[in-house]
Amino acid sequence: GDSVTQMEGPVTLSEEAFLTINCTYTATGYPSLFWYVQYPGEGLQLLLKATKADDKGSNKGFEATYRKETTSFHLEKGSVQVSDSAVYFCALRGPNDYKLSFGAGTTVTVRA
Amino acid sequence: AAGVIQSPRHLIKEKRETATLKCYPIPRHDTVYWYQQGPGQDPQFLISFYEKMQSDKGSIPDRFSAQQFSDYHSELNMSSLELGDSALYFCASSPGSGTYNEQFFGPGTRLTVL
Repeated sequence: GDSVTQMEGPVTLSEEAFLTINCTYTATGYPSLFWYVQYPGEGLQLLLKATKADDKGSNKGFEATYRKETTSFHLEKGSVQVSDSAVYFCALRGPNDYKLSFGAGTTVTVRA
Repeated sequence: AAGVIQSPRHLIKEKRETATLKCYPIPRHDTVYWYQQGPGQDPQFLISFYEKMQSDKGSIPDRFSAQQFSDYHSELNMSSLELGDSALYFCASSPGSGTYNEQFFGPGTRLTVL
């Protein structure tokens, strides 16, 4: 079945450092890919998405490019802030699926 | 903007008791999804409804049942609770069931089974 493999954490960074979280997927057909963020004590928020190969999703300084040749959707941000401390989930949705399949989540802590 | 509402936000139950979780989708959203997130785990899909009909089913135990009502709100009923049912239960809604329709998540109900 469809699955997502995500870089394990936790990741600890200093403010203004570069962040990258690796995500690869296994899927039949052409899934849609997502990054969700979960701040402490809160629900999941959609950070960005891409629905076809070579699409680049971007939001709040975060970017991820749908790479079909490497089945990847790595998340990047050039300069993180303390407020970016959260758990980040990579997820996919198959072309005929209702559900989202999530990766294990990566906890990111940014220190001032 | 209106968001997905879940109630209660916190729930404490004893083993073998029953629990009912409620989800109120964003207005005009006709699709509801339920996910379970265990401690330190990724969210796992349980079940979804589109236009009051079950549309997909995941790893939902037989002790759990769910339905979507005419006003599109949904309830997840959990019986014979076990310690392992302690988790954060998320509801999400979307306008339609298409692959490109974003799922908007509620804040979750934290269930603790003692």
